[in-house]
Amino acid sequence: AQTVTQSQPEMSVQEAETVTLSCTYDTSESDYYLFWYKQPPSRQMILVIRQEAYKQQNATENRFSVNFQKAAKSFSLKISDSQLGDAAMYFCAYRRGNNDMRFGAGTRLTVKP
Amino acid sequence: DSGVTQTPKHLITATGQRVTLRCSPRSGDLSVYWYQQSLDQGLQFLIQYYNGEERAKGNILERFSAQQFPDLHSELNLSSLELGDSALYFCASSVDRDGSYEQYFGPGTRLTVT
Repeated sequence: AQTVTQSQPEMSVQEAETVTLSCTYDTSESDYYLFWYKQPPSRQMILVIRQEAYKQQNATENRFSVNFQKAAKSFSLKISDSQLGDAAMYFCAYRRGNNDMRFGAGTRLTVKP
Repeated sequence: DSGVTQTPKHLITATGQRVTLRCSPRSGDLSVYWYQQSLDQGLQFLIQYYNGEERAKGNILERFSAQQFPDLHSELNLSSLELGDSALYFCASSVDRDGSYEQYFGPGTRLTVT
């Protein structure tokens, strides 16, 4: 079974600094998709970034980028120039094609002014 | 705004009762997913529908059922409610083809069972 592990229950970062959230997953598949979702205090789930496993290039969306290490089954999220609005719960997720999505337990990010 | 709508936003009901949560997916999305999120917990996958047919089941209790209608909206029915069913229930939708497998979430329905 595919599992997703986020080993950091909580992280904090100073405003304008950079923070990296860790995620590892377990799978025997070679073709799959990885995602990071953000859940702010409003509880809305917001897609931050996606990565296709067959792509070697790491995905980037503005201040958000990933470090995808397929062999190590690692998928970390880097947030640059952190802003107060980045404070949220962040969930890493794995999906193989149109199967159900598997979520990690989440990392609560605090941004200090 | 993800384009996924859920109603109602809040629901307060008593133990033993039955409720129905409604979800309309994004235009063009054929798949609908239901998740449960208890306080300070992760997301638990309940059930998936694709174009009107059940595709996958997760940790869904027998007291819970769902369906997807021809217009692709979906309903989640929760019956014989217990205090432990209090949670945020999310619906998500996805295209699920041509490499588009990301899910877009609705705002959720907050269910409180008293």
